[in-house]
Amino acid sequence: LAKTTQPISMDSYEGQEVNITCSHNNIATNDYITWYQQFPSQGPRFIIQGYKTKVTNEVASLFIPADRKSSTLSLPRVSLSDTAVYYCLVGAGNNDMRFGAGTRLTVKP
Amino acid sequence: NAGVTQTPKFRILKIGQSMTLQCTQDMNHNYMYWYRQDPGMGLKLIYYSVGAGITDKGEVPNGYNVSRSTTEDFPLRLELAAPSQTSVYFCASSYSTVAGPDLDIYEQYFGPGTRLTVT
Repeated sequence: LAKTTQPISMDSYEGQEVNITCSHNNIATNDYITWYQQFPSQGPRFIIQGYKTKVTNEVASLFIPADRKSSTLSLPRVSLSDTAVYYCLVGAGNNDMRFGAGTRLTVKP
Repeated sequence: NAGVTQTPKFRILKIGQSMTLQCTQDMNHNYMYWYRQDPGMGLKLIYYSVGAGITDKGEVPNGYNVSRSTTEDFPLRLELAAPSQTSVYFCASSYSTVAGPDLDIYEQYFGPGTRLTVT
């Protein structure tokens, strides 16, 4: 199982771009990288998933370098409502991915 | 669609009591999962199921049992509740468990959780 390392917490201000980097040095060939967002007292919510290079959807971008040993979740122009815990998961299937402690993002006015 | 629903929302158990946490999904997903989340921690996989009649252990299965008699339902059973099982329990489902050429994403859909306290 690939282990992931993320910063414990980050602070930002409204309107700024936030980049959260996840390290996964022992990622396997078949592993995908997935990010989830969790608000207090709620279940996690899928944000984005990728295998290599760059993936973009309506809420975020995911940058994955060629060696795939790390990935960066980019949230453009954050708002107060983006305050949450963000989890980086690595695995080839949902049953072998593990949630770490995540990164607690606090967006300030 | 209601998505993934869980009952009850809250429950207090005494040590040694038993209970079943209910989970139902209406998305016709084959894969279902049970997680627990302790305060300030990430989620840990308890059990998962790849379809009706098939279940398997996750990372922390001790003290729990599951069954999957239908596609929609995936109940989690605690037989002899212990204080260490105080946690928030999340059920999730997904269309598939692996990505592939025709499945760009295999996101999990989570329920609202059940907060369980064992005293």
